[in-house]
Amino acid sequence: QSLVTQPPSASGTPGQRVSISCSGSTSNIGSNSVNWYQQFPGTAPKLLIYSNSQRPSGVPDRFSGSKSGTSASLAISGLQSEDEADYYCAAWDGSLNGPVFGGGTKLTVL
Amino acid sequence: EVHLVEAGGGLIQPGGSLRLSCAASEFSVSSSYMSWVRRAPGRGLEWVSMIYSGGSTNYADSVKGRFTISRDNSKNTVYIQMNSLRVEDTAVYYCAGAFGSSDSPFDFWGQGTLVTVSS
Repeated sequence: QSLVTQPPSASGTPGQRVSISCSGSTSNIGSNSVNWYQQFPGTAPKLLIYSNSQRPSGVPDRFSGSKSGTSASLAISGLQSEDEADYYCAAWDGSLNGPVFGGGTKLTVL
Repeated sequence: EVHLVEAGGGLIQPGGSLRLSCAASEFSVSSSYMSWVRRAPGRGLEWVSMIYSGGSTNYADSVKGRFTISRDNSKNTVYIQMNSLRVEDTAVYYCAGAFGSSDSPFDFWGQGTLVTVSS
């Protein structure tokens, strides 16, 4: 069981806005930045959001991140079929002394 | 362009050993924070181990005492020696790197190498 919890699945129709939650504790999200990764089947994960809300170069502004207390959220607006992927939040955990990933959320575009 | 290439995966019996390698290009592993992250079938990502730019190492509890991370600066390559392998170690193993500090995000990833532990 992961120290950081995400819903196992999420879905939306093209054009909709969807949100994926990420819940942790004071040892991880509560005291460190949250990063989000996107992974398509058979490929390596890709950094999508870093430092809670920053987008690396090349990531569309349809993707946004936020954090409050021990929880974080990834929002995708104007949902597109190519957004169908697995999404993971992650944060450094001071108790583990290493990064901890959420269990992952499989996003389906209906 | 930063590039990571893993190698060394394969089929191994329970109790066996395997060494994975991660060759880097266009940056120096000795000045980065390099990790191994795995994804078991039907499961999510799990951080396995990290080697700091200063050479310190850290491990997830699930592999502590069985896995050893190291690097060869002359080859710009990171390794993970996996001993006493268990069925539950079956996963795609990714090499991932971060700049800045140990808690920096993983900016770049390799393509992964599959390790299957089965009799």
